[in-house]
Order: sequence, then C-alpha cells, then structure tokens
Amino acid sequence: AQKITQTQPGMFVQEKEAVTLDCTYDTSDPSYGLFWYKQPSSGEMIFLIYQGSYDQQNATEGRYSLNFQKARKSANLVISASQLGDSAMYFCAMRVDDYKLSFGAGTTVTVRA
Amino acid sequence: DGGITQSPKYLFRKEGQNVTLSCEQNLNHDAMYWYRQDPGQGLRLIYYSQIVNDFQKGDIAEGYSVSREKKESFPLTVTSAQKNPTAFYLCASSIGVYGEKLFFGSGTQLSVL
Repeated sequence: AQKITQTQPGMFVQEKEAVTLDCTYDTSDPSYGLFWYKQPSSGEMIFLIYQGSYDQQNATEGRYSLNFQKARKSANLVISASQLGDSAMYFCAMRVDDYKLSFGAGTTVTVRA
Repeated sequence: DGGITQSPKYLFRKEGQNVTLSCEQNLNHDAMYWYRQDPGQGLRLIYYSQIVNDFQKGDIAEGYSVSREKKESFPLTVTSAQKNPTAFYLCASSIGVYGEKLFFGSGTQLSVL
C-alpha cells in the first residue's frame, strides 16, 4: 500500500522568510507522481507543484520548489519569501495508480507579519 | 470561467435520511472524483469515474453511492447506511485517468442534526 507522511502538524514562519514542509512517501512502484496542494480557509484545494519520479530536475513554480530526494523517498516543499496569503493547510499527495491520489494529513502554515 | 461547482456549501442530514451532494464541471474532463476530509486528516477517496456510465469504489465507499449519467455531472449520495457522515466533501476532476493534476471544487460541509 502507498503511504504519505507529513510529520509537521503546524508551522509558523515570519513574513518574507522561507519555510520547508516535510513529506515522505512509501511505494514500491518505480513510476509515481508527487503533488503539493494548498487549502486556504475557504476549503478549495489549489494545485501548487508536481514532480514525476523520473524527472531529473527538481520542480519549481514561482516561489514554490520541490526538494525531491528519491533515495530518501522525500518530497519537501519549499516556499520562499513567505507572504501573509500563504497561511493555509498544505497537503502532499502521491499518484501511483493512474486514477488515485493518496494524501498526507497536511501541515498548517501560519505566516506572521 | 471553467471550473467545478459544488452545491450546497453547507448541508444538514437527519437520522435515516439520504442526502445528495452536487458536483458539476465545465472543464470537459473525463475523470471525476469524490473525496472526504475529516479534521486533522488528509483526503480519502470515496468514488471515482473515468467515463460516463462507469464508476469505481475508492477506499471508503461504504454508505455512499454515485452516478455518472452525464460527463459534466457526478453527484454523490450519502445514504443512511453511512453512520458517521459529518465531514467536508470535495469533488475533483482531471483530464483523464492519466491526467497529472486534479482540479477541485470548493467543497460541501455535511453535518448531522
């Protein structure tokens, strides 16, 4: 069975600083995809970034970057230059089967002014 | 604008009652999904559909039913057999079974009276 682990239930970060959210995964399938989603208080899930298991480069999308360490089975999200609007819940997810995304428990990020 | 519309935003269920959550998408996506979110937990897959008139059970399908009569619509019925229905329900869609990204609606909060 596939499993996603997010060990940080909550984090505080100062505005304009960087924050790293941890995510480890477990799968025996060599082909998989890793995702990060943001969930603000409104409830909607917003896609942030994607990393494929065969991608050679770490994914980046604006202020978001994914620190992919395949041997360690970790896919940490780095948010640079934090903004107040970054306060939200962040979920790591993994796709192994074609249709299914398995989600971690999430990390709540609070950005302080 | 293209997107996924979930209604209602809040729903209350009485004991022994079936309730239906609506999900409509105008993204022309083939695949649609229903996830359940409980406090402090990630999302768990209830049902998914890859094509019209076809759907499969996810990890927690017991007490739920779905239909997919139109490409745009994927309603979820929470039956009286679901003994703990209070949760936040999210509908999602993707380009296809092999789609890399899920697009989510804004969710429905279901509570038991």
